[in-house]
Amino acid sequence: AQSVTQPDIHITVSEGASLELRCNYSYGATPYLFWYVQSPGQGLQLLLKYFSGDTLVQGIKGFEAEFKRSQSSFNLRKPSVHWSDAAEYFCAVGGSARQLTFGSGTQLTVLP
Amino acid sequence: NAGVMQNPRHLVRRRGQEARLRCSPMKGHSHVYWYRQLPEEGLKFMVYLQKENIIDESGMPKERFSAEFPKEGPSILRIQQVVRGDSAAYFCASSLTRGTDTQYFGPGTRLTVL
Repeated sequence: AQSVTQPDIHITVSEGASLELRCNYSYGATPYLFWYVQSPGQGLQLLLKYFSGDTLVQGIKGFEAEFKRSQSSFNLRKPSVHWSDAAEYFCAVGGSARQLTFGSGTQLTVLP
Repeated sequence: NAGVMQNPRHLVRRRGQEARLRCSPMKGHSHVYWYRQLPEEGLKFMVYLQKENIIDESGMPKERFSAEFPKEGPSILRIQQVVRGDSAAYFCASSLTRGTDTQYFGPGTRLTVL
């Protein structure tokens, strides 16, 4: 069975600081990996995805993620956080079954 | 190009009533997925449908819940005889093709059961 772990429930960073959100997955074959962002009361917006190829993936809003098969990880990074990045971030894994399995999310707070 | 539409955005029901949640996929998308998000949790898969077919309902509760995606019109998630534990946000997503394609999410319906 596939699963996703986001070890950090809540992260606080100062505006302008760098950010890394952790994601570990369990999946029997080559995974399809996603990061979504959810603002309060809103739906999910896709930040980036990994299907195959280059293991460093660029997304929207200046985010990037790196797929590391040996560590079963797909961590999300941003070099300089903006106050508007405050939201909840979800990592998800999908496969041939098409259903996505989500982590429990990481809440990001940005200090001025 | 309009995104995934869901209505209503907020729905209040008393215990024992029925809840109907609607989802219109993105234009051209024929694959629809329903997920439920309980408070303080991530999204949990419920059901995957294509037009007129349920493909995977492994995440659906065995009783009271049903889903359809008719040839014409939106996909419907129906919850009969709601209970307080059904209070959650219900999200619909759609994708263009079969296989593992990107799923685009709607804004969700927040169901409150009194």
